Amino acid sequence: DIQMTQSPSLLSASVGDRVTLNCKASQNIYKNLAWYQQKLGEAPKLLIYNANSLQTGIPSRFSGSGSGTDFTLTISSLQPEDVATYFCQQYYSGYTFGAGTKLELK
Amino acid sequence: EVQLVESGGGLVQPGRSLKLSCAASGFTFSNYYMAWVRQAPKKGLEWVATISTSGSRTYYPDSVKGRFTISRDNAKSSLYLQMNSLKSEDTATYYCASHPNNLFDYWGQGVMVTVSS
Repeated sequence: DIQMTQSPSLLSASVGDRVTLNCKASQNIYKNLAWYQQKLGEAPKLLIYNANSLQTGIPSRFSGSGSGTDFTLTISSLQPEDVATYFCQQYYSGYTFGAGTKLELK
Repeated sequence: EVQLVESGGGLVQPGRSLKLSCAASGFTFSNYYMAWVRQAPKKGLEWVATISTSGSRTYYPDSVKGRFTISRDNAKSSLYLQMNSLKSEDTATYYCASHPNNLFDYWGQGVMVTVSS
């Protein structure tokens, strides 16, 4: 099975900061990676697919990059409404999610 | 507007069965693969089952294979998850999700399943 490792597990940042979240796959998954945002008490929301494609309706401050085993989700200017837990998910072989990065305001 | 509404959760004893339902609206249900994804309390997400548009093909991870069965009724725009031989580790919030192109693009609000004696 492909394992997904996210870092850091907790990230504190200020409004307006550029924020980078990391996701590492245990083997090459090419660009078969998605990112999801889950706010407290809500269902997850798809943000990014194919490693760098923005889902319809998602603000352009969110972007994704990477391929192979190393991936990044970047928020260019953190907004208060971005406080959430972010999960990466591979779909190269089956479907597995990372444990998540909890993003909070400093 | 896409809506997915799960129902059927609750408290069940280990070894017993439970069936979850998901009512879909706002999109052409019969055109989409569908899936169930679960989240144990304060834990991450785990894919549970996928079903093709017609229902002829189903897919499961090893953790639930042989115990869980996904099905659908396209005439009723409904998705189901039959869960048998439940274990404590099946305790989670279960989400119904539309599942095009290997993504989980729309999710319901989830239904809680607690397996405990």
